[in-house]
Amino acid sequence: SYELTQPPSVSVSPGQTARITCSGDTFPKKYAYWYQQKSGQAPVLVIYEDAKRPSGIPERFSGSSSGTMVTLTISGAQVEDEADYYCYSTDSSGNHRGVFGTGTKVTVL
Amino acid sequence: QVQLVQSGAEVKKPGASVTVSCKASAYTFTNYYIHWVRQAPGQGLEWMGRLNPNSGGTNYAQNFQGRVTITRDTSISTAYMELTGLTSADAAVYYCTREGAATGDHWGQGTLVTVSS
Repeated sequence: SYELTQPPSVSVSPGQTARITCSGDTFPKKYAYWYQQKSGQAPVLVIYEDAKRPSGIPERFSGSSSGTMVTLTISGAQVEDEADYYCYSTDSSGNHRGVFGTGTKVTVL
Repeated sequence: QVQLVQSGAEVKKPGASVTVSCKASAYTFTNYYIHWVRQAPGQGLEWMGRLNPNSGGTNYAQNFQGRVTITRDTSISTAYMELTGLTSADAAVYYCTREGAATGDHWGQGTLVTVSS
């Protein structure tokens, strides 16, 4: 089955830049989406279609794509950005099967 | 504002089935796909399947093929996810989410399913 691979954890000091990668064979043919999930809460969409930011999401969140890897960047990370982050995309089967990445715990301290 | 409100927590015995509902409001239900996602305790997100509320068409993850059925009742703007043959591995929080401007632009509050004998 199709897999998206993320690093288990990323640590960053407040005000610094955090980068979270997601690798998958169907990039760049398929779009990537990024979700933030804080403890005990439902996920929140922070980036869609590789690099678009939904309304209400701070500008410090950005997305990019290069080959088979997509990246979520948090520029000037804040304490409140500490959360789990998941990438999401679809496989190339033609049956639209979604898949989430393995998840990355971002620690801001 | 757009809302997805899910049914309450469930406790089921191994081998049983569970149905979770997801009621949509403040938008046209038939215009946007609904996806179902689950999260086992301490684990990551797992995509289960999606529903086209207009046609009733579905796509399912291979891991759940044959055990999951997603349906809808357009008269009450509600989607349903039924999972059969429950085991302890199915204990999780189940979420519905909308594919609006983007997949997952709105999420339900989650429904905890406990599987215990």
